[in-house]
Amino acid sequence: AQSVAQPEDQVNVAEGNPLTVKCTYSVSGNPYLFWYVQYPNRGLQFLLKYITGDNLVKGSYGFEAEFNKSQTSFHLKKPSALVSDSALYFCAVRAPGSARQLTFGSGTQLTVLP
Amino acid sequence: GAVVSQHPSWVICKSGTSVKIECRSLDFQATTMFWYRQFPKQSLMLMATSNEGSKATYEQGVEKDKFLINHASLTLSTLTVTSAHPEDSSFYICSASPPGGGYEQYFGPGTRLTVT
Repeated sequence: AQSVAQPEDQVNVAEGNPLTVKCTYSVSGNPYLFWYVQYPNRGLQFLLKYITGDNLVKGSYGFEAEFNKSQTSFHLKKPSALVSDSALYFCAVRAPGSARQLTFGSGTQLTVLP
Repeated sequence: GAVVSQHPSWVICKSGTSVKIECRSLDFQATTMFWYRQFPKQSLMLMATSNEGSKATYEQGVEKDKFLINHASLTLSTLTVTSAHPEDSSFYICSASPPGGGYEQYFGPGTRLTVT
């Protein structure tokens, strides 16, 4: 069975500082990994994905994530945080060859302080 | 990009009544759609996989007679909460993947259900 762990329920960072939201996964085979963002009372918005290729993937709104196979991690990063980045972030995994449903982490609430 | 809509965005109903939630893929056809449930400040829990033209696949613990799913066309899936009770109050979100790869899912804006 596949699983995702987001070890931090809450991350606080000052505006302009770099941010990192952590994610580790467990899956058989090479994983498909995703990051989504959710604003209050809204659905999820797709940020970025890793399927294959370069370990560093770039996505929407200046976010990027690094796939690390040896550490089974896929941390989300941004060089300079904005107040508008404050939201709930979800990491998700799908095992290749499986049905298309995703397994989500528990979510990390990011708060960027002005 | 791919767009998924949901209707209604919020609904209040009385205990014992039924509520239908629609999920539409606006610019692509989706043979499969997914229904999730989300409690406040918690993650998404997959309820069922909706398959066009066939029966939905429900996750363990989800009552199929209570949460009726119909996927009658390639752009529409509906979730009906039958005989709703206050404990069914939640945020319901659907998703779908455009055909042809990409692998990511696109999510609807969600429906807030409150049962009084």
